[in-house]
Amino acid sequence: DVQLLQSGAEVKKPGESLKISCKDSGYNFTNYWIGWVRQTPGKGLEYMGIIYPGDSDTRYSPSFQGQVTISADKSISTAYLQWSSLKASDTAMYYCARLVVGPTVGYYFDFWGQGALVTVTS
Amino acid sequence: DIVMTQSPLSLPVTPGEPASISCRSSQSLLDKSGYNFLDWYLQKPGQSPQLLIYLGSIRASGVPDRFSGSGSGTDFTLKISRVEAEDVGVYYCMQALQTFTFGPGTRVEIK
Repeated sequence: DVQLLQSGAEVKKPGESLKISCKDSGYNFTNYWIGWVRQTPGKGLEYMGIIYPGDSDTRYSPSFQGQVTISADKSISTAYLQWSSLKASDTAMYYCARLVVGPTVGYYFDFWGQGALVTVTS
Repeated sequence: DIVMTQSPLSLPVTPGEPASISCRSSQSLLDKSGYNFLDWYLQKPGQSPQLLIYLGSIRASGVPDRFSGSGSGTDFTLKISRVEAEDVGVYYCMQALQTFTFGPGTRVEIK
């Protein structure tokens, strides 16, 4: 079975850096895009960006461009989301999800990680 | 940017009765391929979102046939033919034509 296992909850201070991870199992990691989605009570689900681990092609939502960095290490089937300087407004649940793409099959997130709660507080 | 809206935002339901959720997009989601790039997800309490429907009307693997999606262009509907207690949660539509945008969600709860 396909599983995406995310790293655990984090509590950080404003200005600190953070890198959270999403490790796949059960499928060929390099053949699918992996996306990151933020969830907050105020703004709901927000698409942040995607990466293709096969060649590290990365696309960002304009809302998150320059705010986060998405990366992947295909040798260990793991994708990452990182911040260089956290803000209180980064407090949220973050999900990774596998993206299926294709003009006749659609574009959809078929498997999701369990989520990682990031809390930024002084 | 494509904006997604849903109605209602809250839907009390009776088990065994049908339920319907509407989703509208600010631009047509009908691609030149003839497909509508509209997905539906359900987030059950305490869980991650799960895929229900893609391309507007195709049920994902393992999704019960009481769930159906319909619509085209800017207007879409998710229907549950007979609600079960396990169907409670928040339902989101998501457009996949221009990157991805989620609707605000519809909270389904048992009366």
